[in-house]
Amino acid sequence: QSVLTQPPSVSGAPGQRVTISCTGSNSIIGAGYDVHWYQQLPGTAPKLLIFGNTNRPSGVPDRFSGSKSGTSASLAITGLQAEDEADYYCQSYDSSLSGWVFGGGTKLTVL
Amino acid sequence: QVQLVQSGAEVKKPGASVKVSCKASGYTFTSFGISWVRQAPGQGLEWMGWISAYNGNTNYAQKLQGRVTMTTDTSTSTTYMELRSLRSDDTAVYYCARDSVGATGDYWGQGTLVTVSS
Repeated sequence: QSVLTQPPSVSGAPGQRVTISCTGSNSIIGAGYDVHWYQQLPGTAPKLLIFGNTNRPSGVPDRFSGSKSGTSASLAITGLQAEDEADYYCQSYDSSLSGWVFGGGTKLTVL
Repeated sequence: QVQLVQSGAEVKKPGASVKVSCKASGYTFTSFGISWVRQAPGQGLEWMGWISAYNGNTNYAQKLQGRVTMTTDTSTSTTYMELRSLRSDDTAVYYCARDSVGATGDYWGQGTLVTVSS
């Protein structure tokens, strides 16, 4: 059971908008720790997609955006493309473990 | 550009040990820590621990305490992760990631498949 909760799967048609939620606890996301998002294409290493809740690394399209409120965070993808089909993970920090915690991952299917 | 290059795939028998390396380039090695993350087949990401490349301080996930050791060699900008007393459920792809501001992995190695099988 993951510390952060994500839906196992989401889907959308090309061009549509999808969101992926990430729910934590008062001691993690609610305590003010940043939430980060990773995209993992099949057979590859995770790639940082959003850091510090809302920031995109250089090279990440602005179709990807992040938000955080209270004990939850969300990743939104607009203008869905076939190449967005991947697994997406949220990640934060747990001070009681002094380490990273991950969501269970969400598989995005582009219909 | 920042790169983390890991050692190759390993096949080990139960009870054995494995040591995976992660060689960094393109940045000042001692300015960032390295976290290790593993992913069992078809499963999600699991944080294993962190090491400071500056002073070698470590912090390990509780479930791996006593079986895992992370070390660094600043002369070669390389980080090592050793896992002992391997079991079949240690079969996974092991990743190193540069631990950046805000406790995020901004660059990742390509992954190393460790298979534990008799």
